[in-house]
Formats: sequence, C-alpha cells, structure tokens
Amino acid sequence: DAKTTQPPSMDCAEGRAANLPCNHSTISGNEYVYWYRQIHSQGPQYIIHGLKNNETNEMASLIITEDRKSSTLILPHATLRDTAVYYCIVRKNTGTASKLTFGTGTRLQVTL
Amino acid sequence: KAGVTQTPRYLIKTRGQQVTLSCSPISGHRSVSWYQQTPGQGLQFLFEYFSETQRNKGNFPGRFSGRQFSNSRSEMNVSTLELGDSALYLCASSLVGRSYEQYFGPGTRLTVT
Repeated sequence: DAKTTQPPSMDCAEGRAANLPCNHSTISGNEYVYWYRQIHSQGPQYIIHGLKNNETNEMASLIITEDRKSSTLILPHATLRDTAVYYCIVRKNTGTASKLTFGTGTRLQVTL
Repeated sequence: KAGVTQTPRYLIKTRGQQVTLSCSPISGHRSVSWYQQTPGQGLQFLFEYFSETQRNKGNFPGRFSGRQFSNSRSEMNVSTLELGDSALYLCASSLVGRSYEQYFGPGTRLTVT
C-alpha cells in the first residue's frame, strides 16, 4: 500500500469548510483513497473513498487531483462534533482482504 | 441495526497473565478484523477472520491469537501479557465485498500492570 502524508493538525471555525489535504505521490493505478476519522475514545468511522473521480456523500466530499498524487477531504460546514483525527489511507480494493494501514492522521480542531 | 459490540470495555491484568477479548459483528457481517491502538505506534492491524479462518495477519508475535465462530463472533487472546500490551483493542466488521467500509466497535481498553 502506498504511503500517505498528512499535516499533524489543523483548525477550523465552526460553520466553515474544513479542507484536509493528503499526499500520496506513490499511489499506483489500482489503489483507492479512503478516509476514516476517529473521535476521541471511539472506534474509527468510515467517511468516503474514491479512485480517480471526485466523490460526495452525506458526510463529505473527496477531491482527487488528476495525477492522483494528492487528495483533499472537504467537510462543507464543520461542526464541533467533527473534531477528530482524520486518517487518509491508500490501498488496493481487493474486495476481500480488510487490512487498513493507518498513518498518524490529521487532528482537526473545530472551534466556535 | 445494532453496531459492533466489544466486551469487556475495560480490563486490568498483570504481567504474565492471559486475556480474552470478545467481538460481536454487525448482523450479516462475516469479516472481522482486530486492531491495536497505542499512543506510540498508533493503529496497527492484528488479524482478520472470515468464515472461521484467519485470512490476513499483521506483524505481531505469536502471543496474539484469535478465532472466529460460526456465528461470526470473534475472540482474540493475548498470552503472557507484557506491559507494552496495554492498549485499546478495536474490532471491526465488514460485509464481504465491501471490505473498505469497516465498522468499528468502541474498543476494549486493556491495562497491564
């Protein structure tokens, strides 16, 4: 699985968009980008994933650059409950094997 | 639908003892994975079970083992506990074919003294 690089921490004002970057310059053609988050003292939560097209769901949007070397997770209207550690993970979607390799993630602090 | 449940939530053991942790996946999920989370090493994959068979294993010593039952419930066992085994142990379940979307339980906080 390709390595990812994320900033260790970010701040965001409540109600504003939170844009969390992730670099994955060694990503290969069959590897997907996944985002999970972990709110303090809870298990990680799946947010979104994508291969090369931008994706959107009820939680967030995922923007992947054309060369696929980086991506951005966007929380359109951050709330205090979005304060968490966000993990960007790159892996092949083998369809069966479930191993996730977590990095150190970005600690997002949403403030009033 | 009930989420992933883990028991016990908190556990204190002494060095040299062994411990068994339990995980009940979401109904219909047949894949169960285990992770260890520590402040120093972060979240690390332990192993994955599917249809009562270990399908994938992380880089942990043989003291860490697991099993899965026919109802998809899973247990993990750590023998000869060491201080460094103090961690949050997380279980995750997923549907076959949607392995990227794993649902995590709240974890078991193990403290080894």
